[in-house]
Amino acid sequence: NAGVTQTPKFQVLKTGQSMTLQCAQDMNHEYMSWYRQDPGMGLRLIHYSVGAGITDQGEVPNGYNVSRSTTEDFPLRLLSAAPSQTSVYFCASMRALGTEAFFGQGTRLTVV
Amino acid sequence: AQSVTQLGSHVSVSEGALVLLRCNYSSSVPPYLFWYVQYPNQGLQLLLKYTTGATLVKGINGFEAEFKKSETSFHLTKPSAHMSDAAEYFCAVSDPGNSGYSTLTFGKGTMLLVSP
Repeated sequence: NAGVTQTPKFQVLKTGQSMTLQCAQDMNHEYMSWYRQDPGMGLRLIHYSVGAGITDQGEVPNGYNVSRSTTEDFPLRLLSAAPSQTSVYFCASMRALGTEAFFGQGTRLTVV
Repeated sequence: AQSVTQLGSHVSVSEGALVLLRCNYSSSVPPYLFWYVQYPNQGLQLLLKYTTGATLVKGINGFEAEFKKSETSFHLTKPSAHMSDAAEYFCAVSDPGNSGYSTLTFGKGTMLLVSP
């Protein structure tokens, strides 16, 4: 059972570069989310999706873009990386809002 | 909007001692409540959850939590700590709203340190 798969696990970017963090789930969940985790800040919601073609902003959306063309995939795009985006990023999927979230292993991103 | 407060960024206990991790939430109506655990360099996994029904909820690895509406609390306990319990613990809430439950809001986390 793969569950939620994130790639890459580690990434170093230069300021201004763009990249896409990949997230795929094989549980046929409608709901998917992206969080960032920073020391002492817990997890903060970046964007989420309630189904293919439907996305919405979370608490900290600036500098990030998402799309949801299939149920399985929910990529997160950094348009122009900044040092403030250095963080650990987690993707999660849920059968429905209010139910258990299943998390990927995370992507550790460093922007220099 | 709901918020979650976890008292204490770090909690230290001796092996065999009681574990108590505190979580308070703000919500006008009872939300769904969750505790997640994160081991080093891993994602989060669910320990236990409260939705409706019995207010004392049992989870994995001997943990349990009690929903107390009057205190807006959902504290996590374990009678006897084990070295393998050392990890970071997150409390999270999902609020009911007009269009259904919300996405999860997390507390800032509590690092549990267990000494021999």
